[in-house]
Amino acid sequence: EDQVTQSPEALRLQEGESSSLNCSYTVSGLRGLFWYRQDPGKGPEFLFTLYSAGEEKEKERLKATLTKKESFLHITAPKPEDSATYLCAAANNNDMRFGAGTRLTVKP
Amino acid sequence: EAEVAQSPRYKITEKSQAVAFWCDPISGHATLYWYRQILGQGPELLVQFQDESVVDDSQLPKDRFSAERLKGVDSTLKIQPAELGDSAMYLCASSVRSDTQYFGPGTRLTVL
Repeated sequence: EDQVTQSPEALRLQEGESSSLNCSYTVSGLRGLFWYRQDPGKGPEFLFTLYSAGEEKEKERLKATLTKKESFLHITAPKPEDSATYLCAAANNNDMRFGAGTRLTVKP
Repeated sequence: EAEVAQSPRYKITEKSQAVAFWCDPISGHATLYWYRQILGQGPELLVQFQDESVVDDSQLPKDRFSAERLKGVDSTLKIQPAELGDSAMYLCASSVRSDTQYFGPGTRLTVL
């Protein structure tokens, strides 16, 4: 069965402490791997789409990478405003499946 | 910047009552999705439209949920009757064909 698993469930960082979030997927015929940011009580905000293994995309302090089995969201020198839940989703031609998210807290 | 619009943002209702949510996708987006998100979990697809046609409603509880997109633009999701377990965030998203999905702000439903 197609599955997307994110780890860790929660991550607490000090401001400036870089780290990575993991998204493992078992989706046949991957069409795209998506990363979203979600603030409490709001809808997910699109960050990145990755289409093939080896692809990387960057936006400010965030960099997403993709392999054949997992994707990483690297956060470099995070700030308190980066605190949010980060969701990944894997899509094939039939559907798109979301992980449960990683809740990131960045303390000043 | 174009956005997906949803209303209401919050809805409180009593069980057995009917509720309806509205979504207006980004202009030109032919594909529209309704998701349900329970606190602490990822969104789960309820129904997907391509223009006015339902493409996937396999996870929609059809005994109480209905969705329509009559003119292929805006959409309504209805629950009748609402149950306690329906309390969740209801999210609408749209995309050009089946590419990147852009989400609206959501409707937070509380069933008492």
